[in-house]
Amino acid sequence: DQQVKQNSPSLSVQEGRISILNCDYTNSMFDYFLWYKKYPAEGPTFLISISSIKDKNEDGRFTVFLNKSAKHLSLHIVPSQPGDSAVYFCAATIQGGSEKLVFGKGTKLTVNP
Amino acid sequence: NAGVMQNPRHLVRRRGQEARLRCSPMKGHSHVYWYRQLPEEGLKFMVYLQKENIIDESGMPKERFSAEFPKEGPSILRIQQVVRGDSAAYFCASSPQSGGFDEQYFGPGTRLTVT
Repeated sequence: DQQVKQNSPSLSVQEGRISILNCDYTNSMFDYFLWYKKYPAEGPTFLISISSIKDKNEDGRFTVFLNKSAKHLSLHIVPSQPGDSAVYFCAATIQGGSEKLVFGKGTKLTVNP
Repeated sequence: NAGVMQNPRHLVRRRGQEARLRCSPMKGHSHVYWYRQLPEEGLKFMVYLQKENIIDESGMPKERFSAEFPKEGPSILRIQQVVRGDSAAYFCASSPQSGGFDEQYFGPGTRLTVT
């Protein structure tokens, strides 16, 4: 029962262009969403988050969009840089409830110079 | 300020042996979370602990797995009588307070291989 889905296992973009990573969720109780970046042999690193009371959150080159009615969120990276090449995980949780994060399977982003 | 430390980074065990994975949270962090990542999968929550207390162990397999976070020392994830299906990367994360998801820092992981 996968409550958080990242349907694209991989994505390849050119340096300087936009990267769009998508994530869908099924549990309508989720009200807080996070994106993590992971390099090989390292732990995930927090990137950006969004609460369900917002539909957009921006931090530098990274923007997360949330569409609650569609149970869909996306991470936009503009402009993409070769150093952004990593696996990106979407995660969701219920604030005030259990502390656990529910992760998607990840999308491997490759940014080509 | 050192990050979350995990050791060993790599652990090889034969079927039936015990595996002990250690996690030292960041200084000042009293909340520890353990996650497991199977090959080609996302991270799956296992257990959430505060000092001397297990708060949520809903993701822990019912048998062979246990976790503790003593008053002094690192958090320990213990797997008894390991089987090949336990081969995975085990990550711990720590945070200074409950609900501090943006401040939940992950360690580099322990890669367990069961032969």
